[in-house]
Amino acid sequence: QSALTQPASVSGSPGQSITISCTGTSSDVGGYKYVSWYQQHPGEAPKLMIYEVTNRPSGISSRFSGSKSGNTASLTISGLQTEDEADYYCASYTSSVPVIFGGGTKLTVL
Amino acid sequence: EVQLIQSGAEVKKPGATVKISCKVSGYTFTDHYMHWVQQAPGKGLEWMGLVDPEDGETIYAEKFQGRLTIDADTSADTAYMELNSLRSEDTAVYFCARGVYGSSSEIDSWGHGTLVTVSS
Repeated sequence: QSALTQPASVSGSPGQSITISCTGTSSDVGGYKYVSWYQQHPGEAPKLMIYEVTNRPSGISSRFSGSKSGNTASLTISGLQTEDEADYYCASYTSSVPVIFGGGTKLTVL
Repeated sequence: EVQLIQSGAEVKKPGATVKISCKVSGYTFTDHYMHWVQQAPGKGLEWMGLVDPEDGETIYAEKFQGRLTIDADTSADTAYMELNSLRSEDTAVYFCARGVYGSSSEIDSWGHGTLVTVSS
């Protein structure tokens, strides 16, 4: 099972919006509602930001939103803040294993 | 407060076995799957496997099949990850991580990570 495909890096200025894509297949992203997104700052454990494609856990800012179209899921961060600078990983349920991660995207806030 | 407390850093020689513990508190251990995730230095997250503490059922990623054992001790609210035949490529931080209630694929709480260094 290959990792889901994410862009290696994205960047934006404070206040702007960015979108990170996560592309899989009909056997993972496209076939199930279980797509999640994680934020990881250097030296820290990942943190759940979005689950079941669009849902935010308690305490996560509404600036973070998720969506899916076909085999591609997306994480959008609006009103970028400097503290949003981090690595972001998508993950999906698959037909063969419960979890597969994307390769990760480094977000730089310029 | 949900907490996942992992055992400390390990240094192992190639061919050896490492066993990491993850003691939980703040929730009912048997209500959530427990995942293990590997992160090599400067690399991304790689899912290794999970255990259902309620019945001990495990699922492993193909990459680790045959070398990986995950189990759970419900009397101690502790999960374990054992990886054998270690090689240099296994040098990584290993996270235990609690699954979202009712989901086998999403993770809502993470341990702090345990660094395993494999070196001769």
